[in-house]
Amino acid sequence: AAGVIQSPRHLIKEKRETATLKCYPIPRHDTVYWYQQGPGQDPQFLISFYEKMQSDKGSIPDRFSAQQFSDYHSELNMSSLELGDSALYFCASSPQGYEQYFGPGTRLTVT
Amino acid sequence: QQQVKQSPQSLIVQKGGISIINCAYENTAFDYFPWYQQFPGKGPALLIAIRPDVSEKKEGRFTISFNKSAKQFSLHIMDSQPGDSATYFCAASMWDDMRFGAGTRLTVKP
Repeated sequence: AAGVIQSPRHLIKEKRETATLKCYPIPRHDTVYWYQQGPGQDPQFLISFYEKMQSDKGSIPDRFSAQQFSDYHSELNMSSLELGDSALYFCASSPQGYEQYFGPGTRLTVT
Repeated sequence: QQQVKQSPQSLIVQKGGISIINCAYENTAFDYFPWYQQFPGKGPALLIAIRPDVSEKKEGRFTISFNKSAKQFSLHIMDSQPGDSATYFCAASMWDDMRFGAGTRLTVKP
């Protein structure tokens, strides 16, 4: 079965640089979520989109922005990167709420 | 503040034993309670889920017990295997608003 695809899988950036993470949801899933997970922590919700519109916002820094495109893929844009942004970033997709299926994640390292 | 409280933080079980992880929530608006399994460096995988109108759900070796009045639910892993060693997260959800527990690191010793 098709799963959530995330790219890149690993990303190394320097402080103050910009990063763009991409997410391709499971076909026919209309909701996309972004999470940040630090070492030994639970996933922290950042933002979600339903039918290409932002549906909810969590603890997403103002330096981050995201959008969902007409083909339902989503991108998380992160600017002015800080050391503390180093984490695993997960995208999840859902067929109309509730069940969320996570992608393999992008490991972002900021040096 | 964690809206879903999960315990224990870590758990060591012998192969063939029963692993039990507990979660509690406060917000009665939650109406969907999934469990996720996560291996190091991987994404959380949906394991099993329950809705509050059911007191128990079983899928293979995994069982969720749900106590609506106590606002508690638990995951039981029967005949635990070394391959079950992972971090388990409980969660509670209202539509697309999902809150995770802090996670339980399970180690199953051969």
